[in-house]
Amino acid sequence: KAGVTQTPRYLIKTRGQQVTLSCSPISGHRSVSWYQQTPGQGLQFLFEYFSETQRNKGNFPGRFSGRQFSNSRSEMNVSTLELGDSALYLCASSLYAGATYEQYFGPGTRLTVT
Amino acid sequence: DAKTTQPNSMESNEEEPVHLPCNHSTISGTDYIHWYRQLPSQGPEYVIHGLTSNVNNRMASLAIAEDRKSSTLILHRATLRDAAVYYCILKGETSGSRLTFGEGTQLTVNP
Repeated sequence: KAGVTQTPRYLIKTRGQQVTLSCSPISGHRSVSWYQQTPGQGLQFLFEYFSETQRNKGNFPGRFSGRQFSNSRSEMNVSTLELGDSALYLCASSLYAGATYEQYFGPGTRLTVT
Repeated sequence: DAKTTQPNSMESNEEEPVHLPCNHSTISGTDYIHWYRQLPSQGPEYVIHGLTSNVNNRMASLAIAEDRKSSTLILHRATLRDAAVYYCILKGETSGSRLTFGEGTQLTVNP
């Protein structure tokens, strides 16, 4: 079974621009979560989607948004990019949302904002 | 989510067992204990999880204290590929799929 895929793998953007990152979960998985990883803040939860609905949201500004499609694929969008948004963005999928379900992570998208 | 405490770093020799501790004194009765690891330049990888009983899988074993206030991840024979940051995470029923990562334990495996 194919793993979680994320596109693109690397991205360079300029301050003020916007960016869209894509995540394809493992086939059959219905929950998709997004995380940001930076050297200073570590791994931080952005948001979680299940059946096209946002179920949980982390402590990030409204510039960060996401959505999930009917096939469970997900996208996240960052508008008005800031230098501090440079990070590794990770997507994870699980069969369902809940404490008993393990999550599988993709390789991430490395975003650099200049 | 309840907080976990792990040592910042640990060292092991190849082919020896490794015991990675995690304290979670404020765990609630419905919190599951999850372990993930992150190898260099990769996304986190699921290792194992449990609620009350000890658990085994092909990667590791999870030993959970009787009072559930601590747990230990056991790698039975460390290999160089096991060098990673190991995260102990509690997931409650209201967590959904959210994982709250702490600092984790950096495991170094010596040849």
